[in-house]
Amino acid sequence: EPEVTQTPSHQVTQMGQEVILRCVPISNHLYFYWYRQILGQKVEFLVSFYNNEISEKSEIFDDQFSVERPDGSNFTLKIRSTKLEDSAMYFCASRPFGEQFFGPGTRLTVL
Amino acid sequence: RKEVEQDPGPFNVPEGATVAFNCTYSNSASQSFFWYRQDCRKEPKLLMSVYSSGNEDGRFTAQLNRASQYISLLIRDSKLSDSATYLCVVLNNAGNMLTFGGGTRLMVKP
Repeated sequence: EPEVTQTPSHQVTQMGQEVILRCVPISNHLYFYWYRQILGQKVEFLVSFYNNEISEKSEIFDDQFSVERPDGSNFTLKIRSTKLEDSAMYFCASRPFGEQFFGPGTRLTVL
Repeated sequence: RKEVEQDPGPFNVPEGATVAFNCTYSNSASQSFFWYRQDCRKEPKLLMSVYSSGNEDGRFTAQLNRASQYISLLIRDSKLSDSATYLCVVLNNAGNMLTFGGGTRLMVKP
């Protein structure tokens, strides 16, 4: 069964550094998403992406964040200058038309 | 008022018990509704969609009451493997954003 994959599984970085989180959505899916979950808190929407552009973004998704689909398979989330409060689990999701399917997540730890 | 609200639990039940979770949502224009399951430090996994007419999938039954903006999940004959956090999830009107509740934790004990 096709799955959303994410790399790396765990990323440790210093405050102020740039990080890029990578996702490979399911191949025939058209809509792509990033969510985050701070430890012990609920899953929060960051951004949705369709037809090579952002279709919706939350207040969390400020100028420090960007997304890109550099080729036909990868979908990336970049955080330009990480802050301590960016430490969280970041989930990528994709969907064809209906339900969203989530990847296993990248745990980002900012020191 | 929180956009999607759930009792955090935990609900501690014996194997074989029936347990019900409730959820309320604030945006009356919400389009679609789902229950996801999340195991500790894992990704959310879709359990079932929720339809206005109510729907059943094996031991799981979901109900939606649009007038009251209320969603429920019933689990019959609980198994140890049902232990997880159950997330009530609402899709916005534009269909491009999921809003998650904080989750209800279920622990099924032998």
